[in-house]
Amino acid sequence: SQQGEEDPQALSIQEGENATMNCSYKTSINNLQWYRQNSGRGLVHLILIRSNEREKHSGRLRVTLDTSKKSSSLLITASRAADTASYFCATVIIMDTGRRALTFGSGTRLQVQP
Amino acid sequence: GAVVSQHPSRVICKSGTSVKIECRSLDFQATTMFWYRQFPKKSLMLMATSNEGSKATYEQGVEKDKFLINHASLTLSTLTVTSAHPEDSSFYICSARRVRTDTQYFGPGTRLTVL
Repeated sequence: SQQGEEDPQALSIQEGENATMNCSYKTSINNLQWYRQNSGRGLVHLILIRSNEREKHSGRLRVTLDTSKKSSSLLITASRAADTASYFCATVIIMDTGRRALTFGSGTRLQVQP
Repeated sequence: GAVVSQHPSRVICKSGTSVKIECRSLDFQATTMFWYRQFPKKSLMLMATSNEGSKATYEQGVEKDKFLINHASLTLSTLTVTSAHPEDSSFYICSARRVRTDTQYFGPGTRLTVL
């Protein structure tokens, strides 16, 4: 099962522009995490925002969380070609099997044109 | 700290053979390890969860006889894809949860190609 949906599925912007990606989830959460994945590579943890936080910053990243709408957004400011990657939101949920596990949204493929 | 390694990083095998992928937590103990599968341009889907010393719990639609998981120690889990078929070709990513936390650390992934 997949916890969240992300939009847009794909985003193409010019270097220097800002990129905004949105994530919606279904169940109650303790925190929400954002990951980055370069093509064919592993995951890189970007940022974690707790359920009692509304906004968090890390360098050029800004994450917001709206628990009433069950949604989060990731903003990358002043994008660079090196930001080209897929971005996933993820939350810990209790699976149908009863196990707690991190589950991922559908992802946004970001392309930053130099 | 909190490094997870996977081996091999890439494997190509013939249809019908079995492939074993190792996942190790290098500098911490992980009572729980997770195996994910990712198809091209898709998200990660959880396949199974394993606890050290017990049988793995498989998610719906994952064949336990095809994907054998062994979690023999607090730092090692293995995934064996048995009688591999071309449709098993995928990117397999393991993850380890540090003891007494909810934090999962991810391995770099293994690209499996079945010819």
